[in-house]
Amino acid sequence: GDSVTQMEGPVTLSEEAFLTINCTYTATGYPSLFWYVQYPGEGLQLLLKATKADDKGSNKGFEATYRKETTSFHLEKGSVQVSDSAVYFCASSGYSTLTFGKGTMLLVSP
Amino acid sequence: GAVVSQHPSWVICKSGTSVKIECRSLDFQATTMFWYRQFPKKSLMLMATSNEGSKATYEQGVEKDKFLINHASLTLSTLTVTSAHPEDSSFYICSAREGPTDGYTFGSGTRLTVV
Repeated sequence: GDSVTQMEGPVTLSEEAFLTINCTYTATGYPSLFWYVQYPGEGLQLLLKATKADDKGSNKGFEATYRKETTSFHLEKGSVQVSDSAVYFCASSGYSTLTFGKGTMLLVSP
Repeated sequence: GAVVSQHPSWVICKSGTSVKIECRSLDFQATTMFWYRQFPKKSLMLMATSNEGSKATYEQGVEKDKFLINHASLTLSTLTVTSAHPEDSSFYICSAREGPTDGYTFGSGTRLTVV
């Protein structure tokens, strides 16, 4: 079945540092790929998505590119802020449902 | 954009009682709704998928009689935790989408504590 693997956290960074959270997937066919963010005590918010190979999703300074050749969708941000502290989930979408990675906690200190 | 409202945001109940959680799509018709359970510091575990007017499809290991899911209209799905026990304490999240090619919108989650 489909699966998503993302790097374990927590990832601890200082403000303005560069962020990368790795995500790889296995899927039959050509899934859509997503990054969701979860702030403490809240549900999930869609951060960005890409629906086909070489698409780049971007939002709020975050970017991720759908790499079919490496089956990856790594999340990057050039300069993180304290307010970016949250748990980030990578997910792939087949026809019927989403498959989530285990989540990566990001902690940004001033 | 699409909005999914989930209520209550938190609930505390006594062992043996039942709790109902509602999930509403506010500005779109959700043909499919999903219910997830999230344990502390863990990912989301899909519990069941429900299509409007049909019986829910439960994931392996999820007790159908304990977690009753109803999707009676295109804008409302409910999850009832029956005869709740402390081990049912968790964070429950619903999501919805309009069609098979549409994106998923998540509710804000319900923190259930069974005492």
